[in-house]
Amino acid sequence: DQQVKQNSPSLSVQEGRISILNCDYTNSMFDYFLWYKKYPAEGPTFLISISSIKDKNEDGRFTVFLNKSAKHLSLHIVPSQPGDSAVYFCATSNFGNEKLTFGTGTRLTIIP
Amino acid sequence: DTGVSQDPRHKITKRGQNVTFRCDPISEHNRLYWYRQTLGQGPEFLTYFQNEAQLEKSRLLSDRFSAERPKGSFSTLEIQRTEQGDSAMYLCATTGGDGYTFGSGTRLTVV
Repeated sequence: DQQVKQNSPSLSVQEGRISILNCDYTNSMFDYFLWYKKYPAEGPTFLISISSIKDKNEDGRFTVFLNKSAKHLSLHIVPSQPGDSAVYFCATSNFGNEKLTFGTGTRLTIIP
Repeated sequence: DTGVSQDPRHKITKRGQNVTFRCDPISEHNRLYWYRQTLGQGPEFLTYFQNEAQLEKSRLLSDRFSAERPKGSFSTLEIQRTEQGDSAMYLCATTGGDGYTFGSGTRLTVV
C-alpha cells in the first residue's frame, strides 16, 4: 500500500512561473513532512520541511503548504529556474522516528 | 561533497553472485540509514543503525541481505545470491539538523 502518493509523474513549467508539486498521504499519524530534490546519479538533497503544527513554511523561493484535514501537502517554487529541473520527492515521518516514507516522485522540467 | 561517501558508485554483477557496498559518513553520526530506490519509485527504508546496533529492519530486507556497522562509523550492506529484482540504487544516509544527508548511492545491476 502506498502511504504517500505523488499523482503527477511529471510537470513542465515555463521559467519564471510558479511550479506547484503535490503530495497526498493516508496515515494520520505522520506529523513531519519533507521535500527532497534529486538529480540523476545523485542522492536526494533536503529542500524544506514542515511539522504538523504549522500549515505553511517558507524558505526563499520554496514554500510548503500542509492541509492536515485533507492529508495533502504541496511545494511551491517561485520563480522557477532551469536549475530546478529535477525529480522531487515528498517524504513523511513521525516525530521520534526518523524513518522516512517517500512518495514516488514528480519529475519537474523548467522550460527556458 | 555530500558528507556521506558510498562505494562503489556502480556495480554490475551476475545473478547468484554476492555483492558488498560500503558507506562512509565523513563526520561522526549516531544514526545511519540504508534505503533502496527502484525505477519509478521513491526511496524505501531498509534498515538503520544507532551506533553499532542495528535497531530496525524492513520486511524488504530478506535473509539474503545483511548490514553491519562495526565501531559505529562506516557501514556495509551485503547481498548474497543476487537476483534480478535486487537491481536498484542503494542509498546510505545520516541524520542531523532538518533531515537526512544522503550519499550519491550505489547503483546495482544484476544481469
